[in-house]
Amino acid sequence: EAGVTQFPSHSVIEKGQTVTLRCDPISGHDNLYWYRRVMGKEIKFLLHFVKESKQDESGMPNNRFLAERTGGTYSTLKVQPAELEDSGVYFCASSLRAGGPLTDTQYFGPGTRLTVL
Amino acid sequence: RKEVEQDPGPFNVPEGATVAFNCTYSNSASQSFFWYRQDCRKEPKLLMSVYSSGNEDGRFTAQLNRASQYISLLIRDSKLSDSATYLCVVNKASSASKIIFGSGTRLSIRP
Repeated sequence: EAGVTQFPSHSVIEKGQTVTLRCDPISGHDNLYWYRRVMGKEIKFLLHFVKESKQDESGMPNNRFLAERTGGTYSTLKVQPAELEDSGVYFCASSLRAGGPLTDTQYFGPGTRLTVL
Repeated sequence: RKEVEQDPGPFNVPEGATVAFNCTYSNSASQSFFWYRQDCRKEPKLLMSVYSSGNEDGRFTAQLNRASQYISLLIRDSKLSDSATYLCVVNKASSASKIIFGSGTRLSIRP
């Protein structure tokens, strides 16, 4: 069974440009999450989709970030316009179900390493 | 204060040694606890969930102390392949699906 995939693996852009990251979750996983790790910091939650709906977007840093999951399958995370502090590794994860006393296991993709110059 | 705190290490131990990491969390209402492993430039992978009664998986033992709000991971008979960063992960009490990562503890096993 294929795992979570992300594209591209690396992206180098200039400040002010737009970048779109893509995540394909494990087939059948309704829950999709985006995380980010900036240099020297811990991995931080950005948002959570259940199917095509945003369940929790409290971690999105500002309105330059837009996440979508049309059709409830793959998801995109667009950064427009990109700033220097957006550099980092963006991870996507998916899980079968969420909620309840025990969080279902989240499987992570390999990440997209974004560098903003 | 961070929600999840870990000693960043690095821990540098010889092969075959036993090594233990601790992690503390700030929200007493958290209910789900995990240890993830992350190899250099790779994604985090679930190592084990941590249950109230403690649990063991081969050479790995995880313990939860709710009273003191800490989680531990013990690795026995360490192997070279255990070298990685170990991430303590706790769910945010207000949202079962939202998990909070510690900054990780780096472990290096030497021959």
